[in-house]
Order: sequence, then C-alpha cells, then structure tokens
Amino acid sequence: DGGITQSPKYLFRKEGQNVTLSCEQNLNHDAMYWYRQDPGQGLRLIYYSQIVNDFQKGDIAEGYSVSREKKESFPLTVTSAQKNPTAFYLCASSPRPQETQYFGPGTRLLVL
Amino acid sequence: ILNVEQSPQSLHVQEGDSTNFTCSFPSSNFYALHWYRWETAKSPEALFVMTLNGDEKKKGRISATLNTKEGYSYLYIKGSQPEDSATYLCAFYFGNEKLTFGTGTRLTIIP
Repeated sequence: DGGITQSPKYLFRKEGQNVTLSCEQNLNHDAMYWYRQDPGQGLRLIYYSQIVNDFQKGDIAEGYSVSREKKESFPLTVTSAQKNPTAFYLCASSPRPQETQYFGPGTRLLVL
Repeated sequence: ILNVEQSPQSLHVQEGDSTNFTCSFPSSNFYALHWYRWETAKSPEALFVMTLNGDEKKKGRISATLNTKEGYSYLYIKGSQPEDSATYLCAFYFGNEKLTFGTGTRLTIIP
C-alpha cells in the first residue's frame, strides 16, 4: 500500500530535550512538508523540501530542524529552542508543489 | 503575508439540509486552490484542486466553484449526512512552492 507514515503517534518531551518526529512516504513524491496545528488555528508550515538534500524554512521554522537525505524520509527535530512545542504535527507529501498533498496520521507532542 | 480566509469558522447543520461555506484568497498571482476534508482522528484528505476561473468540481454530494478574479471559492454540500461532519480546509498556491492554508470551517451535522 502506498502512503505516508508518521511515528510515534504520541511523543513526550522533557524540558531541554530535543525530539525527532519521523515521516516516511513510499509515493515517490519529490515534495515533502511539515505542518503544525494548534487549537483554533489552521495548518502552519514549519519546513518544506522539494528535492533530496534541499529544504526551506516555512512560516514558523524557529526552534525546528529537518533533513532530507533520502527521497522517502523527512524527519523533523523539535529542539530545546522551541519554547512552546505542544501541538499536533502533520507531515505531507506531493508530486509537485501545486498538486494535491497527501497527509500522514500526525504526531501529538506533549511537554512533561 | 498572504492570507486565506474561511467563513464561517463553525457551522451546525441539520441532517438533510444543504449548506455552503466560503474561502477567500488574494486574487493576484493565482495558480491553484485546494479543498481538503479533515475528519476527527483522521488525516486531511483532498477533495478538489481547482485552477481555472469559473471552474466547478463535484464529488458525490459535494461541489465547489472558483472565482479567481474576485478571489473566492464556495464549497457546497447537498443533503448533509452525519459523515459530512469534519473540518473543511482550503489552501491557496501562488507559485512559491508551498500552500497557504485557511483556518478551516468546522461543520457539525445534527441528526
């Protein structure tokens, strides 16, 4: 089955800790995206990548980092510099930027 | 910053009634307008991608129209059913490699 997966479903972060959210797709899509959703707000773009070994900051990149070493994988690290990390994180991919995005099931990050 | 506005923010509709809601976007540099449905505990799923002024798209009881000159799109649901309860997101693409999402319209169907 083709699709996009995220893990874990829930993640707990301690103060000062970096945590990494996984995103994998087997759709052979070039473009991948990370979004954050907070209650009452829409999807806000954290980082995106159009091709392997290249990525750009989105609207709220501060406190986050990404890598794109493989076409299938686009992990997101929430660093200790992100002071308000509690949110729902969605990963998506698309063949090209203007085309339909396909979303993973999401990861909910909570701070202990 | 380009804004995508959706209205209303939330909506309660009686089962069997029809409804519609709006997505407003900048009318300049238009490339594409996306509609997604996001059901609770699921991932957002694409409904439509619209690119041409005057475009109308339909999927079952759901349809959408697009006016790029005045910068709005309407989503219509005919004969609402409980399974239509979801948040409906629109997203605007203006050629900068990313989508800009609205905050969504949360639709609740009352049995």
